[in-house]
Amino acid sequence: SAVISQKPSRDICQRGTSLTIQCQVDSQVTMMFWYRQQPGQSLTLIATANQGSEATYESGFVIDKFPISRPNLTFSTLTVSNLSPEDSSIYLCSVVPREGETQYFGPGTRLLVL
Amino acid sequence: GENVEQHPSTLSVQEGDSAVIKCTYSDSASNYFPWYKQELGKRPQLIIDIRSNVGEKKDQRIAVTLNKTAKHFSLHITETQPEDSAVYFCAASMVGNQFYFGTGTSLTVIP
Repeated sequence: SAVISQKPSRDICQRGTSLTIQCQVDSQVTMMFWYRQQPGQSLTLIATANQGSEATYESGFVIDKFPISRPNLTFSTLTVSNLSPEDSSIYLCSVVPREGETQYFGPGTRLLVL
Repeated sequence: GENVEQHPSTLSVQEGDSAVIKCTYSDSASNYFPWYKQELGKRPQLIIDIRSNVGEKKDQRIAVTLNKTAKHFSLHITETQPEDSAVYFCAASMVGNQFYFGTGTSLTVIP
């Protein structure tokens, strides 16, 4: 498996601002993903973070709203831009350590937008 | 793309009884089926998984069965305990590709 940390663990933001979430892994991993989980709901994939290139976004998610960086094989950031109360949610990163392995999740970032 | 359905959405059982959660998938190319447990306020944790070349897998009180023909797989928890209370998610994927998650089952084990 992999040890995954996320910063911040929680934040309260004003609408119209942005929040950048960091995901750090203790070893190089092949794949990194960003998910959103709204209260009582399932996991919704936002995008696959690609090392050294633009992220691959799922339907309904766009780069302008959710810019993602992955400068190397152990680190990624997700920015949630122009925040609105509807963005209040838990954001989780996940990783696949090596090809053929399962996904492991970070502890999540709980975001509240006022 | 893949579509995963999960039932039931909520499940209550008496301590010591068994619990069964069922998932169906639509893409016959899917070949990897993990199950995650998510306790309140915690991250999803892998509890068991199965690949399409296997029909059943067991790990102590937990088992998963897979029927490739019918495109469904199930999680079985025997001798349930209060600490089994959590939300359980199934997922389907092709190895190396993204996961498609079910909608979750909230399991409550009543002491």
